[in-house]
Amino acid sequence: NAGVTQTPKFQVLKTGQSMTLQCAQDMNHEYMSWYRQDPGMGLRLIHYSVGAGITDQGEVPNGYNVSRSTTEDFPLRLLSAAPSQTSVYFCASFSPPQGEKTQYFGPGTRLLVL
Amino acid sequence: DQQVKQNSPSLSVQEGRISILNCDYTNSMFDYFLWYKKYPAEGPTFLISISSIKDKNEDGRFTVFLNKSAKHLSLHIVPSQPGDSAVYFCAALTTDSWGKFQFGAGTQVVVTP
Repeated sequence: NAGVTQTPKFQVLKTGQSMTLQCAQDMNHEYMSWYRQDPGMGLRLIHYSVGAGITDQGEVPNGYNVSRSTTEDFPLRLLSAAPSQTSVYFCASFSPPQGEKTQYFGPGTRLLVL
Repeated sequence: DQQVKQNSPSLSVQEGRISILNCDYTNSMFDYFLWYKKYPAEGPTFLISISSIKDKNEDGRFTVFLNKSAKHLSLHIVPSQPGDSAVYFCAALTTDSWGKFQFGAGTQVVVTP
């Protein structure tokens, strides 16, 4: 049982490049989400999904795209990277409110945009 | 507009003593609150939670208190241990908007021998 996995662990991009951060979970959770962590800002929600085919915006969605074609995977796409997107990105999965009320986080992807 | 605030960026406590971490929120619709612990280079891990229908929840050395009228919650760790040195985040949401977790900025706890 791997829980929530994220790849890559670390990535350096040049301004304007695109990339996809991968996230997968094996707990059959309906809900998944993406956060970014910046110093002094805590964790800010980028996008989340309540099931395959359903996504919604969080607090800081601009510059990021998501899709959810399967229950297991929730990739985050940066279409044109900017230095302001330098951050640590965390993916999480969790159950609906009737179930276990907590999130399980992946180990994070550290992204540097030059 | 940050709706969940942790106003103390850091806390130093002696081993064996009590650690008290505070969290304030502005949205009166929040009805579920959680605390997470984070070590460097790892993802946050769930610690303890509380529903707005309760004012206290205990799990071993960890107790969370909720004061709805003051829109304030606190996490007590007794006794503090060196392994408790980490960043602690509080989070809140409304169960009607399950998925939209709002996090505070975190408090770095250092437990000294």
